[in-house]
Amino acid sequence: AQSVAQPEDQVNVAEGNPLTVKCTYSVSGNPYLFWYVQYPNRGLQFLLKYITGDNLVKGSYGFEAEFNKSQTSFHLKKPSALVSDSALYFCAVRLYNFNKFYFGSGTKLNVKP
Amino acid sequence: SAVISQKPSRDICQRGTSLTIQCQVDSQVTMMFWYRQQPGQSLTLIATANQGSEATYESGFVIDKFPISRPNLTFSTLTVSNMSPEDSSIYLCSVTGTQDSGANVLTFGAGSRLTVL
Repeated sequence: AQSVAQPEDQVNVAEGNPLTVKCTYSVSGNPYLFWYVQYPNRGLQFLLKYITGDNLVKGSYGFEAEFNKSQTSFHLKKPSALVSDSALYFCAVRLYNFNKFYFGSGTKLNVKP
Repeated sequence: SAVISQKPSRDICQRGTSLTIQCQVDSQVTMMFWYRQQPGQSLTLIATANQGSEATYESGFVIDKFPISRPNLTFSTLTVSNMSPEDSSIYLCSVTGTQDSGANVLTFGAGSRLTVL
């Protein structure tokens, strides 16, 4: 069965510091990996994706993520956090030949001034 | 990417009633999905809305409770039938595009927040 794990319910970081939101996955095949962000009372917004190629992908708002096949991970990173980055972040995976997306449980990011 | 309009954005309903949520997309899309996000939880796929045929439901969801229509490539509805307080959730419409325009990315509507009393 396919699954996505986000081991941290919440991540706290000070503004200006680097941030990491963790994601690991388990799929029986080649994965497509995604990060989404959800601001309060809003729908999910696409941040970035890994399909193939360079393991380091860059996305919106200065976020990036690194695909690590051996560790089956796709951690979200940003060099310098902003207070406005505070939101709920979801990792998702789908198989290359299948349209169903599997979402992690979400990680709440709190960036303190 | 596609722009999705969902309505209502929120509603408060009485136990035992039904509510239909509409999802309108500004362009033709290949796939349309309905997700549920219960308070403080992740997204759970309810069903895939198939154009011109019956929706494909995930385990734990049935057509009698969540009837879905998709009459064309830009519109779908989800009905939550015979509601109970356990149905209080955010219901999200989502789509993937055509092969040449972001088929790999899932785009979401703003959601419909449903409270059942």
